[in-house]
Amino acid sequence: AQSVTQLDSHVSVSEGTPVLLRCNYSSSYSPSLFWYVQHPNKGLQLLLKYTSAATLVKGINGFEAEFKKSETSFHLTKPSAHMSDAAEYFCVVRVNTGTASKLTFGTGTRLQVTL
Amino acid sequence: EAGVVQSPRYKIIEKKQPVAFWCNPISGHNTLYWYRQNLGQGPELLIRYENEEAVDDSQLPKDRFSAERLKGVDSTLKIQPAELGDSAVYLCASSISPIPSYEQYFGPGTRLTVT
Repeated sequence: AQSVTQLDSHVSVSEGTPVLLRCNYSSSYSPSLFWYVQHPNKGLQLLLKYTSAATLVKGINGFEAEFKKSETSFHLTKPSAHMSDAAEYFCVVRVNTGTASKLTFGTGTRLQVTL
Repeated sequence: EAGVVQSPRYKIIEKKQPVAFWCNPISGHNTLYWYRQNLGQGPELLIRYENEEAVDDSQLPKDRFSAERLKGVDSTLKIQPAELGDSAVYLCASSISPIPSYEQYFGPGTRLTVT
């Protein structure tokens, strides 16, 4: 079965410093992986996705993630954190079931950004 | 373009009472999903609709949960009777098609508290 594990439930960084949110995946074949962000009282928003093209994926708001097959990882990074980045982040694997698909979410990482 | 609309945003009920949640997907989106997000967890799929048809309801607790999508547009998710363990955020999402390449767009969710 395909799954993702988010290694940190909570990450705290200072504004202007780099962000690293870690995600490992488990899959018997090349997966489709996503990062979603959830701000308080708002819907989940897609940050970026990997679907077997370039291993370094750039997303919105300066975020990017690198697919590393040898490490079964898909970590999310940003060079410089902004206060508005404070939110819950979910690593997601897409499981294809015939002509449809199912998203399986990780448990989430809460990012706190301090002054 | 309007996003996925859900109501109510918050609901507090006593156990054994019924409750219903409403979702209006993005116009033209034929696929509709209901997810449940427990505190500190990622969302989990409850049911997926293709137009009016529920094509994946394997995770829906059918003894107390029911859903409908009349006319293939709006959808309602109902719980009767509610239990304490049903306290969660119920998310609705929609996509143009179930084909994996199409993104799911999420609503802000309904936060249910059962006392």
